Order: sequence, then C-alpha cells, then structure tokens
Amino acid sequence: NAGVTQTPKFQVLKTGQSMTLQCAQDMNHEYMSWYRQDPGMGLRLIHYSVGAGITDQGEVPNGYNVSRSTTEDFPLRLLSAAPSQTSVYFCASSFGTRALGEQFFGPGTRLTVL
Amino acid sequence: GQQVMQIPQYQHVQEGEDFTTYCNSSTTLSNIQWYKQRPGGHPVFLIQLVKSGEVKKQKRLTFQFGEAKKNSSLHITATQTTDVGTYFCAGGGSGTYKYIFGTGTRLKVLA
Repeated sequence: NAGVTQTPKFQVLKTGQSMTLQCAQDMNHEYMSWYRQDPGMGLRLIHYSVGAGITDQGEVPNGYNVSRSTTEDFPLRLLSAAPSQTSVYFCASSFGTRALGEQFFGPGTRLTVL
Repeated sequence: GQQVMQIPQYQHVQEGEDFTTYCNSSTTLSNIQWYKQRPGGHPVFLIQLVKSGEVKKQKRLTFQFGEAKKNSSLHITATQTTDVGTYFCAGGGSGTYKYIFGTGTRLKVLA
C-alpha cells in the first residue's frame, strides 16, 4: 500500500493564482482531512470529509474548497492564493467515522505564495 | 471554540534525562491522540486514549488521560537521540469529527 500520497511536494504561486493540491489514499478510509501547519501554531484543520459526497468545514476553511467524489481522493483547491496561505499542507485519512482512530498523514505539500 | 494548549513549547534535555509534555483542553474531550513529527517529516500516530484516567505505556513512553478528560501528558523516560522531534496532542470533541491539535512541544536531545 502507498498509504496517503500528496502532490505536488513543493509549489510556488503568485498572489491571485489558483491551484489544486492533490491527496489520495489506498486504504479504503472513509475519513479524510486537510491541515495546514505554520511555525509555532501546530496543525489547523481546514476541511474534512466523512465519506464520498460529504464534506464539512474545519477551523480555518476560508479561501479553500474541497470535494469528495470518490473514497480515494480528496483534493484541496485554493481559489485565489494569498501570501497568508503560505504554509505546509498535510492530508490525512482515518478508517472509522463513528469513532475516529489513528490518522495517517501524507508527506505534505510546501506552498509559497509570493 | 475548543482550544488545546500544550506546554512547554521547547525542551532541551541531556540524553538519559526524562521529558514530559502537557496538553490542556478548554473543553471536555471524547478522546485524545498523540503524534510525533520528526524535523522535515509528517506527523506519525503514537497512541489514542479514550477512558477517563487512562494510562498507557509504549516502552519508554507513558501516556496519561486526566480524570476530567480535559488534560493529558506524555512522559519519556531516559531520552535517546532518536526521540528528537515535535510531539503533538490532538483532542477529539464529543459528537464531532474534528481534531484540534495542540501547538506542539519541540524536543531536542543533547548527546
């Protein structure tokens, strides 16, 4: 199993550009989520999904969109990039939805917005 | 909203010394998870605690969940250089699928 994969690993954008961060998992996990990690602030939840077709907002959803058309994929879209979105983005997945267990994290995408 | 505070922010120890990080939530938690992140890496799951007053051990690591389910701690006995990294707690609220992460404790072990 590849686990949780994320692409790209690095990305540089200009202010106002849009892009999609890709996340996929091959463990048949129902729960998937996106976090951003900034220095000194830990990980903050952006959006999450408890199954295909179901998404919800986390702590910091503004400026980001998600969709979940399949169990495997959970892309994160930046609509109009801003310097404040410079961060490391992690995707995670977990097996259960009634009671969440271990979250498996992808390797991360390091995004810089100029 | 729910907040999870973690102290200390940094800790430098000599190899062989013990280390403890504390996690405090503003609300009662359903459960708590602990993760370790090596420099440049991604968070890796260590353990999940669910029951009030629960204590779990993994070799030199001891995890505790408070009686009120609002605080937790991770204690490492006789640290080794391989323990270097940032330790995060993540609190799960009741009836929610959201985990709120603490700010993390960055551990450096001096050989």
